[in-house]
Amino acid sequence: QKEVEQNSGPLSVPEGAIASLNCTYSDRVSQSFFWYRQYSGKSPELIMSIYSNGDKEDGRFTAQLNKASQYVSLLIRDSQPSDSATYLCAVNMGLTGGGNKLTFGTGTQLKVEL
Amino acid sequence: DGGITQSPKYLFRKEGQNVTLSCEQNLNHDAMYWYRQDPGQGLRLIYYSQIVNDFQKGDIAEGYSVSREKKESFPLTVTSAQKNPTAFYLCASSLGLAVYNEQFFGPGTRLTVL
Repeated sequence: QKEVEQNSGPLSVPEGAIASLNCTYSDRVSQSFFWYRQYSGKSPELIMSIYSNGDKEDGRFTAQLNKASQYVSLLIRDSQPSDSATYLCAVNMGLTGGGNKLTFGTGTQLKVEL
Repeated sequence: DGGITQSPKYLFRKEGQNVTLSCEQNLNHDAMYWYRQDPGQGLRLIYYSQIVNDFQKGDIAEGYSVSREKKESFPLTVTSAQKNPTAFYLCASSLGLAVYNEQFFGPGTRLTVL
């Protein structure tokens, strides 16, 4: 069973719309959650981190976390063609004895259409 | 500019050869990581290091080796024992191993076995 699950997409949205990306995780003790954006052929770029239940906003991006449902999402408002990329959800499930191990989903491909 | 550099960008290896991938950071981060990314799969942790002269195996360490002689440097050697080394290799760093520490990635090295 996968530990972090994302719909692979592609998710297509028109320019200016809200894109909603979802992620579920299996480990209830997970403490920190991250969203990375990865353009084709490039390395992942951190765009959001969230640690507490609720919403966290940063510009056009909003991360939402619901630990009871083991669910984290990313909303992108006013989507632009430059937002077209693969979005990776990463969950910190810790390491034995403490530590910073990220488990990644396989990513959701977002396409913003003109 | 602070950041993480990886070299080379592209690397071609003949079967049976060992190759070493370079990773350097000037962020003054204590922790460094190596991940591997294959098409359709999430990033997988190969090795990580919290301090100089100390490193730990990740999920897929077989066929790889690392060293951490300097805080700034964490080279990865892909040995001939690695059965399927063709992949995109990503180095990352974080302030420490605390679960809230964000990980930042270098630009990556794309390794192809001929």
